[in-house]
Amino acid sequence: NAGVTQTPKFRVLKTGQSMTLLCAQDMNHEYMYWYRQDPGMGLRLIHYSVGEGTTAKGEVPDGYNVSRLKKQNFLLGLESAAPSQTSVYFCASRGTAGSEWYFGPGTRLTVT
Amino acid sequence: DQQVKQNSPSLSVQEGRISILNCDYTNSMFDYFLWYKKYPAEGPTFLISISSIKDKNEDGRFTVFLNKSAKHLSLHIVPSQPGDSAVYFCAASAKGQAGTALIFGKGTTLSVSS
Repeated sequence: NAGVTQTPKFRVLKTGQSMTLLCAQDMNHEYMYWYRQDPGMGLRLIHYSVGEGTTAKGEVPDGYNVSRLKKQNFLLGLESAAPSQTSVYFCASRGTAGSEWYFGPGTRLTVT
Repeated sequence: DQQVKQNSPSLSVQEGRISILNCDYTNSMFDYFLWYKKYPAEGPTFLISISSIKDKNEDGRFTVFLNKSAKHLSLHIVPSQPGDSAVYFCAASAKGQAGTALIFGKGTTLSVSS
């Protein structure tokens, strides 16, 4: 049982490049979330999903897209990266019955 | 507008003493509150939680107090240990909201000196 894993751990992009961050969970959780953490800002919700095939916008969704084609995976895409998207990205999941959340180890993204 | 506020960016405490971290919230729909601990280069790890039907929850050295009328909660760590040095995030959720996402405060950096 690996919990929540994120790929990659680190990435450097140039402005305008695109990339996809992968989040995978093996706990059969319905709900999955993408957060970003910036210095002095705490964690802010980007997008979330309440089940396979569904996605919804969070607090800071602009510049990001997501997909939940399989229950265990939640992908976060950056179509045209901007320096403002330099951040640490955390994925989280939880089950419908439980109130316990599980966070991944994070992806550190730098956009130059 | 911030729904979850941690007004103290940092706190320094001596080993063995009590650490008190504070959190205020504005959304009266919040009914579940959590504290997370985060070390550098790691994801947040769950510490302790409290439901709005309670006013206190205790787990070992950690106790969370909830004052609903004041929309305030606090985390007490007794006794504090150097290994407790980390960033502590207060988070809240409301069952009525779709997906019940956690709303986080900005965090408080706790430094425990030996």
